[in-house]
Amino acid sequence: NAGVTQTPKFQVLKTGQSMTLQCAQDMNHEYMSWYRQDPGMGLRLIHYSVGAGITDQGEVPNGYNVSRSTTEDFPLRLLSAAPSQTSVYFCASSYSPGRNYEQYFGPGTRLTVT
Amino acid sequence: AQSVAQPEDQVNVAEGNPLTVKCTYSVSGNPYLFWYVQYPNRGLQFLLKYITGDNLVKGSYGFEAEFNKSQTSFHLKKPSALVSDSALYFCAVRDDTGGGNKLTFGTGTQLKVEL
Repeated sequence: NAGVTQTPKFQVLKTGQSMTLQCAQDMNHEYMSWYRQDPGMGLRLIHYSVGAGITDQGEVPNGYNVSRSTTEDFPLRLLSAAPSQTSVYFCASSYSPGRNYEQYFGPGTRLTVT
Repeated sequence: AQSVAQPEDQVNVAEGNPLTVKCTYSVSGNPYLFWYVQYPNRGLQFLLKYITGDNLVKGSYGFEAEFNKSQTSFHLKKPSALVSDSALYFCAVRDDTGGGNKLTFGTGTQLKVEL
């Protein structure tokens, strides 16, 4: 299994540009989520999905959109990039609805917005 | 609301000495507690978890953690540190009262093991 994969690894955007961060998993996990990691702030949940066609907001959803058309894929869209969205983005997945399951993380996407 | 505190930004320890990385939590119901490790430029890797049962949980790479309900703590420990243990460690929690699978993470503790 490839696990959780993310593309691209690095991205530089200009303010106002849009882009999609890709995330895919091949473990048939129902639950998928997006986090951003900023220095001194740990990981903060952006959006999550408990299954295909079902998404919900996390702690910091503003400026981001998600959709879940398949079990495998969970893309994150930045609608109009802002410098405050400079961060490292991680996608994660796990079995659901059991709350005792650990999450598996992708390698991350480092995004810089100028 | 659930929360996690990791009171130390950095922990320094000599190789061969025991290490402890501290974590305290706050939840409404019963906690599910996790430790993850992050090596430079990598994603997070699962180390261990406490769901129920024995308060001492053993995990990967010789790490263990002790759940203490009265002190609402879940400290990560290792009897003998290795230089290769140097990394960023995150504690995370969710409770059993709802919220699906949402995890709340601490701010992380940088562990530095020196020769």
